[in-house]
Amino acid sequence: DQQVKQNSPSLSVQEGRISILNCDYTNSMFDYFLWYKKYPAEGPTFLISISSIKDKNEDGRFTVFLNKSAKHLSLHIVPSQPGDSAVYFCAASARDDKIIFGKGTRLHILP
Amino acid sequence: KAGVTQTPRYLIKTRGQQVTLSCSPISGHRSVSWYQQTPGQGLQFLFEYFSETQRNKGNFPGRFSGRQFSNSRSEMNVSTLELGDSALYLCASSPGAADPRAFFGQGTRLTVV
Repeated sequence: DQQVKQNSPSLSVQEGRISILNCDYTNSMFDYFLWYKKYPAEGPTFLISISSIKDKNEDGRFTVFLNKSAKHLSLHIVPSQPGDSAVYFCAASARDDKIIFGKGTRLHILP
Repeated sequence: KAGVTQTPRYLIKTRGQQVTLSCSPISGHRSVSWYQQTPGQGLQFLFEYFSETQRNKGNFPGRFSGRQFSNSRSEMNVSTLELGDSALYLCASSPGAADPRAFFGQGTRLTVV
């Protein structure tokens, strides 16, 4: 049973526009959410995170929104740049428990 | 601070053999987790060690095992390798409960032939 779901395997966005990556979760015990970016042949790189006590966290071009009632979070990248082309993983954890990852969304930034 | 270091980067093994992968966490991090990445399956959790004790375990067969040493370095072992074990194995370290972020190494690409 997938506890963290990324329903879009891929997404294409024009350079300069906003990229919105979505993620749904099923476990109401999750209290910490993370986004990672991964290039081929490299390990995932931590991007941004959010605690369940917040509904928004911003870091430069990256903003994560959390909607606890809908068990949904999203990552906004504004403006999108060519170097943002990568696979993005959504992840979640409950206190002292393992981090569960989604299957990832491949983002293509078009010139 | 040096990042998470995994060795070796690439490995080719034959079915039935066993393999040991190594991970050195970021200095000061006490938690080490292992993940398996295969195409279409994302990152699947194998196990987590904290202060030399296995704290969490994923749904993998007993052929997959691990351990953590007193200096927080970790190893994972896969015995009786199968073709389906071919994957990218990723190690991640975390500071601990106060900071749940995980930081990944570059992974070990294991190919079983």
